[in-house]
Amino acid sequence: DGGITQSPKYLFRKEGQNVTLSCEQNLNHDAMYWYRQDPGQGLRLIYYSQIVNDFQKGDIAEGYSVSREKKESFPLTVTSAQKNPTAFYLCASSGGAGNQPQHFGDGTRLSIL
Amino acid sequence: AQSVTQPDIHITVSEGASLELRCNYSYGATPYLFWYVQSPGQGLQLLLKYFSGDTLVQGIKGFEAEFKRSQSSFNLRKPSVHWSDAAEYFCAVGEGTYKYIFGTGTRLKVLA
Repeated sequence: DGGITQSPKYLFRKEGQNVTLSCEQNLNHDAMYWYRQDPGQGLRLIYYSQIVNDFQKGDIAEGYSVSREKKESFPLTVTSAQKNPTAFYLCASSGGAGNQPQHFGDGTRLSIL
Repeated sequence: AQSVTQPDIHITVSEGASLELRCNYSYGATPYLFWYVQSPGQGLQLLLKYFSGDTLVQGIKGFEAEFKRSQSSFNLRKPSVHWSDAAEYFCAVGEGTYKYIFGTGTRLKVLA
């Protein structure tokens, strides 16, 4: 079945450590997204990519980095510069420019040790 | 700036009762509108979408939504709620670029 796979489901970060969240899709979608979800704040866009080797900052990109070397993959790195990384992170993809629904993975919950 | 408002943070209904979740948007052009549902610890699942045409759209799990341009609203409805409908519901607008704007969500509790 086509879909989006996020891993790991739970992740713990130590002080000063960078961690990478994985997102893989087999839907043949061009666009991929990373959102951060905090209680009561809905989804906030971190980064998005319209096509391979290209990506744009979203509303809360500081302290995060991404790469898009393959169409299927869009990993997110939470750097040590992100001082409040504890949140639920969702990856999504879509087949069009805002006129197609997004498909979401099951999320990664990141916590600080 | 474009925005999506879900005025109700929490809603509680009895099982078998009808449900309406409100969504208001601010967008200059004809919007692409979506409703998603999220169970705890899970990703979002698409319930229904509106692009154009018939303003009453049917979705999965017995949900429907009505687009009202004059009120800038896209409210979600269900005639009879089941206990399994307890979840968080998000309204979203596609800007026509590659960005989507989400509301802050409405958490639904269903009483047995």
